Amino acid sequence: QKEVEQNSGPLSVPEGAIASLNCTYSDRGSQSFFWYRQYSGKSPELIMFIYSNGDKEDGRFTAQLNKASQYVSLLIRDSQPSDSATYLCAVRTTYNQGGKLIFGQGTELSVKP
Amino acid sequence: DVKVTQSSRYLVKRTGEKVFLECVQDMDHENMFWYRQDPGLGLRLIYFSYDVKMKEKGDIPEGYSVSREKKERFSLILESASTNQTSMYLCASNSGEGVDTQYFGPGTRLTVL
Repeated sequence: QKEVEQNSGPLSVPEGAIASLNCTYSDRGSQSFFWYRQYSGKSPELIMFIYSNGDKEDGRFTAQLNKASQYVSLLIRDSQPSDSATYLCAVRTTYNQGGKLIFGQGTELSVKP
Repeated sequence: DVKVTQSSRYLVKRTGEKVFLECVQDMDHENMFWYRQDPGLGLRLIYFSYDVKMKEKGDIPEGYSVSREKKERFSLILESASTNQTSMYLCASNSGEGVDTQYFGPGTRLTVL
């Protein structure tokens, strides 16, 4: 089992819809969870992080964390074509100290006009 | 804003050449990381450093070495470049405190002919 798993996609949604991206992790003691967006040919950029159970909202983005079920999700409301990118989930686990993160493979999102 | 810079955006080298990739961060971060990213394989950690002159192997250190003589600078060295080292190389840094978000540089697209 991979430490951090994401559906590779591509996930295709129409413009204006809600895009839902999911990520599961294996280390129950994981502490911090991050969502990065990566446009083709560019480097990952942080969208948001979450470390407490529940929802965290930032504009059109909502991160949801459920530690009991070991999953974290990212919702994008009112999806725009400019949201088309690969979304990387990253986790700081209990055994990866020194600031290391474990990254998922990424989910490719395509928002169709 | 955190700024992580990499010495080149694109680099073309020949097999057997010694290659230096430089990364500089301006936020006094303790930790620095080198990843490579390949289609279908995601982000893979090559080496990381948690202090000046300190380094630890990541998941795929073979064929690479690193140097961190100053806190702000972390160099990745390919002692004898090979075609299978053609990839996107990404540098990142974080503070080692709190939530520990990793911030990425723009990446270097290395082609080894």
